[in-house]
Amino acid sequence: AQSVTQPDIHITVSEGASLELRCNYSYGATPYLFWYVQSPGQGLQLLLKYFSGDTLVQGIKGFEAEFKRSQSSFNLRKPSVHWSDAAEYFCAVGALGTYKYIFGTGTRLKVLA
Amino acid sequence: EAQVTQNPRYLITVTGKKLTVTCSQNMNHEYMSWYRQDPGLGLRQIYYSMNVEATDKGDVPEGYKVSRKEKRNFPLILESPSPNQTSLYFCASRRGPNTGELFFGEGSRLTVL
Repeated sequence: AQSVTQPDIHITVSEGASLELRCNYSYGATPYLFWYVQSPGQGLQLLLKYFSGDTLVQGIKGFEAEFKRSQSSFNLRKPSVHWSDAAEYFCAVGALGTYKYIFGTGTRLKVLA
Repeated sequence: EAQVTQNPRYLITVTGKKLTVTCSQNMNHEYMSWYRQDPGLGLRQIYYSMNVEATDKGDVPEGYKVSRKEKRNFPLILESPSPNQTSLYFCASRRGPNTGELFFGEGSRLTVL
């Protein structure tokens, strides 16, 4: 069955600390992978995406993610978190030529000053 | 400005009173979709549309209807709302099946009493 798992419901980090949000997927086809961010009261905004090629992708706001096929993972990282990064983060997976798009349940990030 | 516009943003209604949430995009996208977001469940797809007059069920279609008579509009209809449809609803669009990024509206928070 196709699925996306974000094991951490909540994560709290101090401002300036590094961040890693985990995402594991199960998908039969070659996946397209995405990370979205949802700030309070807002819709979702794309942070970055992986289609093919270099497995380390750079996104907006200083975020990056690494695709590891052997681990079926697409973890999101940021070297130094800012207070404005407090939000909910969603991992999603899709596939070429299909309309199916599956979201994880989200990880809510809290940033301590 | 490229955007997806939903209305209303907030609505409180009563059980059984029909309502429509409108969604409009100005990017000439073929694909549009409705999601509901509930705590701990992430985003679940209600219905999607591949193009005008082409719609299909997502994962949680019960109690909802949609139509796609024009490319830019994709309204969500609740014929007889029930309290379990209290949720945060998002409309999203993208160019087509081979493209990745979804563009989201700001959400419509619906409460059914």
